Amino acid sequence: AQSVTQPDARVTVSEGASLQLRCKYSYSATPYLFWYVQYPRQGLQLLLKYYSGDPVVQGVNSFEAEFSKSNSSFHLQKASVHWSDSAVYFCALSRSSGSWQLIFGSGTQLTVMP
Amino acid sequence: EAAVTQSPRNKVAVTGGKVTLSCNQTNNHNNMYWYRQDTGHGLRLIHYSYGAGSTEKGDIPDGYKASRPSQENFSLILELATPSQTSVYFCASGDGRVEQYFGPGTRLTVL
Repeated sequence: AQSVTQPDARVTVSEGASLQLRCKYSYSATPYLFWYVQYPRQGLQLLLKYYSGDPVVQGVNSFEAEFSKSNSSFHLQKASVHWSDSAVYFCALSRSSGSWQLIFGSGTQLTVMP
Repeated sequence: EAAVTQSPRNKVAVTGGKVTLSCNQTNNHNNMYWYRQDTGHGLRLIHYSYGAGSTEKGDIPDGYKASRPSQENFSLILELATPSQTSVYFCASGDGRVEQYFGPGTRLTVL
C-alpha cells in the first residue's frame, strides 16, 4: 500500500540555521513526489515537485529536496531559514494512475525562533 | 489568475442537519478533489471527480456525497452531519500528472 511518513511532528530551529524535514514513502514504483507548505488559516501551496531525472530538485524560497530511491526518501532542505518559514509542511506522493490523488504525510510543524 | 475558491469559509452546523460545501475552479482542470484535514492525519481524500457528471469515492467517503454539475463546480454534501465530521475541508483541482491546486479551506464545526 502507498503511504507517506513524516516522522517529526514538530521541528524548531533558530533563524539562519539550516533545516531538514524528513519524508519517507512507500510505493511500488517510482512515485511523483511533492512538498507543500501551509501557512496559518490558508490552503496548501506547492513548494517543489519531483517526477524524474536529477534527484535534487529546487523549489520556491530557496527550498530544495533530494529524492533517494534506495532510501525511499524525499527530504526537504533549506540552507538558512527565516522566521517567515514558520508553517506546516506536508510531503505527498501522487498515485501514477487513475485518480492521480495525493497521499499526504501527517505534516511537520516548523517553528523558526528569531 | 487561475484559482480555486471555496464557500463558505466557516460553517457551524447542528447534528443531523444538511451541509453543502461548494468549490469553484477557474483552472479548467478535469479533476477535482475533496480532502479533509485533521491533526495527525494530514489530508485524506473523500471524493473526487474526473469531469462534469462524474464522482468517485476516495479513501474516506462514508457520510459524504459529492456532486459535479459542471467543469468548474464541485460540491461536498453532508446529508446528516455528525460531530465527527468537524474538520477543515479542502478542495483541489488538477489535470492529471501535474500538481494539484488547493482552495483556502472551509472550517466546519458540527455541534
